[in-house]
Amino acid sequence: EAGVAQSPRYKIIEKRQSVAFWCNPISGHATLYWYQQILGQGPKLLIQFQNNGVVDDSQLPKDRFSAERLKGVDSTLKIQPAKLEDSAVYLCASSLLVGGPYEQYFGPGTRLTVT
Amino acid sequence: SQQGEEDPQALSIQEGENATMNCSYKTSINNLQWYRQNSGRGLVHLILIRSNEREKHSGRLRVTLDTSKKSSSLLITASRAADTASYFCAPATGNQFYFGTGTSLTVIP
Repeated sequence: EAGVAQSPRYKIIEKRQSVAFWCNPISGHATLYWYQQILGQGPKLLIQFQNNGVVDDSQLPKDRFSAERLKGVDSTLKIQPAKLEDSAVYLCASSLLVGGPYEQYFGPGTRLTVT
Repeated sequence: SQQGEEDPQALSIQEGENATMNCSYKTSINNLQWYRQNSGRGLVHLILIRSNEREKHSGRLRVTLDTSKKSSSLLITASRAADTASYFCAPATGNQFYFGTGTSLTVIP
């Protein structure tokens, strides 16, 4: 079974620029999560989708971050404009939905450096 | 909040010794999960314990859960250098998880 795919793996941008990250979850996984992990900290949930609906986006800085999950499969996370404090690893994870609880499967992450 | 809090923040042991990490949380949960993260990589699921379970084993891992104290522990027996990683607990309600800051484990060969 293929794992969670993310791209790009690394990205360096200047502050005020925009950036987008892509995630392809494991086939059949209805729930998709985006996390932000700052160095030395645990993953912080940004947004959770069930199919293509948002379950929780309470910690998503909506003035600059946006995310979508078209057709309930792939997802993109966008930052516009980026700030220095956005430097972090952005992790995507997916899990089954019905009949849980289920573990999350994580992708390798995208390391973002904002200069 | 539902966020887990791991203790200690860092732990260094000799290969072959046992490592114990603790997790505390504040609200009711359906289950609690433990994950491992090797440096620069994504998280890997280790074990899930449901709220009606008290103890669970998986290979060299032993997890306990005390819902009355809102705490859990992860024991790694006979540690190996390859166990060097950060370990996170994730108290969960349904499909919503809240990770703590983790315990950084170093196993010295």
